[in-house]
Amino acid sequence: AQRVTQPEKLLSVFKGAPVELKCNYSYSGSPELFWYVQYSRQRLQLLLRHISRESIKGFTADLNKGETSFHLKKPFAQEEDSAMYYCALRVGNFNKFYFGSGTKLNVKP
Amino acid sequence: DTGVSQDPRHKITKRGQNVTFRCDPISEHNRLYWYRQTLGQGPEFLTYFQNEAQLEKSRLLSDRFSAERPKGSFSTLEIQRTEQGDSAMYLCASSLAPDYEAFFGQGTRLTVV
Repeated sequence: AQRVTQPEKLLSVFKGAPVELKCNYSYSGSPELFWYVQYSRQRLQLLLRHISRESIKGFTADLNKGETSFHLKKPFAQEEDSAMYYCALRVGNFNKFYFGSGTKLNVKP
Repeated sequence: DTGVSQDPRHKITKRGQNVTFRCDPISEHNRLYWYRQTLGQGPEFLTYFQNEAQLEKSRLLSDRFSAERPKGSFSTLEIQRTEQGDSAMYLCASSLAPDYEAFFGQGTRLTVV
C-alpha cells in the first residue's frame, strides 16, 4: 500500500542554520515525489517535484530509492521559510496524491 | 485572485443536515480534484474529474457523499446527513492536464456540531 511518512511534526531552527525535513515513502511502483508548502493563511502550493531536479527558494530534494526517502534540504534557513511542509507521492497518471501528515518548520530569528 | 475559488470558506452545520460546497477551478483547467484534510493530517484524495466525467472515487467517499461537475466547469460536493466525523477542511484543486501542476483552493472548513 502507498504511504508517506513525515516523522517530525515540528522542526525549529535558527535563522542561517541548515534545515532537513524528512520524508519516507512506501510504494511498489515507480514513485513520483513532491514537496508542497503552506504558508500562514495561504493555500497549499507546489514547492518542488523530484523529476525537475531544481532548487526552489534554496530548497532541494533528492529521491533516494534505496532508502525510499525524499528529504527536503536547505543550507541556510530564512525566517520566511516558516511554514507547513507536506511531502506527497503521486500514484498513477493524474494528480492523485498521498500526502504525509506534514512538518511545521519554525525558523527563529 | 484568478486561482481556484471555493465557497463557502467556512460552514457550521448540525449533525444530520445536508451541506453543499462549490469549487470554481482555474479557467481552461479541465481536471478537477477534491481532497479532505482532517486536523493534524495531510490532505486525502476523494475524487477526480476530467471535464464532466468523474473518473475516480476514493473509498473515503461514502454513499453520503456525491460530487458533480455538470458542465465541466465548476464542481459541487454534497454531504448528506452530516456526521461529526465529517468535520474537516475540504480542498479543491485543478490542473490543465492530468500530470500538470495541481493548483489548490483555500478550502472550505466544515464543522459539524
